[in-house]
Amino acid sequence: KQEVTQIPAALSVPEGENLVLNCSFTDSAIYNLQWFRQDPGKGLTSLLLIQSSQREQTSGRLNASLDKSSGRSTLYIAASQPGDSATYLCAGGEGNTGKLIFGQGTTLQVKP
Amino acid sequence: DTAVSQTPKYLVTQMGNDKSIKCEQNLGHDTMYWYKQDSKKFLKIMFSYNNKELIINETVPNRFSPKSPDKAHLNLHINSLELGDSAVYFCASSSPWTGENEQFFGPGTRLTVL
Repeated sequence: KQEVTQIPAALSVPEGENLVLNCSFTDSAIYNLQWFRQDPGKGLTSLLLIQSSQREQTSGRLNASLDKSSGRSTLYIAASQPGDSATYLCAGGEGNTGKLIFGQGTTLQVKP
Repeated sequence: DTAVSQTPKYLVTQMGNDKSIKCEQNLGHDTMYWYKQDSKKFLKIMFSYNNKELIINETVPNRFSPKSPDKAHLNLHINSLELGDSAVYFCASSSPWTGENEQFFGPGTRLTVL
């Protein structure tokens, strides 16, 4: 049974800093891994999706990696901005049914 | 706008009532989902439908009944509401045929049971 963990639960950094958010999962037979952003009171916005056969994906200042052997994914945010403040969720896909197992999120605050 | 939409955005009701939440996607996706986000912000899948057929049914009380009239709509009906049903309910959709299964979420429905 897949379990997904995100540590730390909260992170505060000064503007301009590069940062890494961590996600770990227990089952290396992960189908895919998706990173989301959630703003307070809002829905989830998909940031990046990494297939099980891929090692990383990039979009703008965001880079996500996937290492199935170690059960880890990271989300790298370059040159952080106050607008990046949000909760970041990672979710592991279980089989091709589309079922996502979510971590509990890391709440990021970027201070001006 | 192409998106996943949900109605209503907020729902406040008394214990014991029956209520429904509607979801529609115009992304042309085949698969739709319902997730529940509890007070600690933890998201958990409840149901999944692929082209109107139930695919995933997690251990959810049978007071919750999803209905998919067509592949663009997935509604959630909840009978005999309980205090513990208070949560934010998210609808999502994806297309497995692209091989990616990237999921797109609606804005959520905040259900408060008094």
